[in-house]
Amino acid sequence: DIQMTQSPSTLSASVGDRVTITCRASQSFSTWLAWYQQKPGKAPKLLIYQASILEDGVPSRFSGSGSGTEFTLTISSLQPDDFATYYCQHSHTYPWTFGLGTKVEIK
Amino acid sequence: QVQLVESGGGLVEPGGSLRLSCAASEFTFGDYYMSWIRQTPGKGLEWISYISSSGFSIYYIDSVKGRFTISRDNAKNSLFLQMDSLRAADTGIYYCARVGVGDRWASFDHWGRGALVTVSS
Repeated sequence: DIQMTQSPSTLSASVGDRVTITCRASQSFSTWLAWYQQKPGKAPKLLIYQASILEDGVPSRFSGSGSGTEFTLTISSLQPDDFATYYCQHSHTYPWTFGLGTKVEIK
Repeated sequence: QVQLVESGGGLVEPGGSLRLSCAASEFTFGDYYMSWIRQTPGKGLEWISYISSSGFSIYYIDSVKGRFTISRDNAKNSLFLQMDSLRAADTGIYYCARVGVGDRWASFDHWGRGALVTVSS
């Protein structure tokens, strides 16, 4: 199985900060990677698919990049609504697996 | 507005069974692959199964193979997960999710609110 390792596991930041979350895969693949945002008590929400394509309705301050074994999610200017946990998920081979998440906290 | 609503969760003893249902609305259910994803204290988010739009193609992760059965009824816009021989490690929130199409393939573009499954004596 492909293991997805996210870093950091927790990130403390302030409103307006630029935030970058990294997801590393145990095997290389092209762009079969998605990012999700989850708030407490809610289901995850798709933010980005194919590593860099923004889902409809997601603010443009979110962006994704990468291929191979390293992928990043960037929030260009952190907003109050962005404090949440973020997960990456690959779909290169079965089983599709998720990272353990990065919690973005208020500094 | 796509809606997915899970039901059927609850408390069950180890070795017991539960059947989850997911009612879908506001999209053409029969056109989409569907999945079950769980969130557990031990493993976080874990994709456990999918079923193709027709129901002919099915996948399970190893830890649930032989114990869980995914099915669908396209006439009733419903997805199911029969869970047998339940273990404590199966405890978690179970989400019904729609698998995206085209470029969104293999991402989960809509999720239900989840159903809590607790396996305990």
